[in-house]
Amino acid sequence: DVKVTQSSRYLVKRTGEKVFLECVQDMDHENMFWYRQDPGLGLRLIYFSYDVKMKEKGDIPEGYSVSREKKERFSLILESASTNQTSMYLCASSLERGPGHREAFFGQGTRLTVV
Amino acid sequence: GNSVTQMEGPVTLSEEAFLTINCTYTATGYPSLFWYVQYPGEGLQLLLKATKADDKGSNKGFEATYRKETTSFHLEKGSVQVSDSAVYFCALTSLNSGYSTLTFGKGTMLLVSP
Repeated sequence: DVKVTQSSRYLVKRTGEKVFLECVQDMDHENMFWYRQDPGLGLRLIYFSYDVKMKEKGDIPEGYSVSREKKERFSLILESASTNQTSMYLCASSLERGPGHREAFFGQGTRLTVV
Repeated sequence: GNSVTQMEGPVTLSEEAFLTINCTYTATGYPSLFWYVQYPGEGLQLLLKATKADDKGSNKGFEATYRKETTSFHLEKGSVQVSDSAVYFCALTSLNSGYSTLTFGKGTMLLVSP
């Protein structure tokens, strides 16, 4: 089974801190994604990556950056955390082509609270 | 752009009742359609999918049919259980800078009582 692992289930950070959210997948997927989930808004795409060192902005990239130095790992960075970034963050991965193409597998989520 | 619209919840049912959660979409081209489920405190899991018109996805007693003519992908189950209580997300694939990404609806919470 595909496994997508996020480094933390819960995080509490202070306003202005630099925050790193880590995600690792073990199925050699090309694509990796970061979403945030908020009540009444569903899931919104922050950034995605289709290859090592490649990244593309999603729908709400402001205030975030990402890093993909290895194929299996995709990091989300909050350069200076703010209270409006309190949310559930979900990482996902998928194949770019072939069987199972387009089906995304999700991690368990990181609930981040910025105080 | 592409979008997904789901019925608002919560949907409250008694055990063994029939379930329908409506989902309609707007998309260019030929998207694949998905239903994901999120149990309390967990990430999303793929429930079922359909990749072309008239396909029926099914899993764990849930079904949905890809209806291109009505741009819909409604989720149904004949007899719900308490363990089905969760949030259900309808989603479609769309091309973003030439790569496939998922666009989600806002989710529908289902509450099943004994």
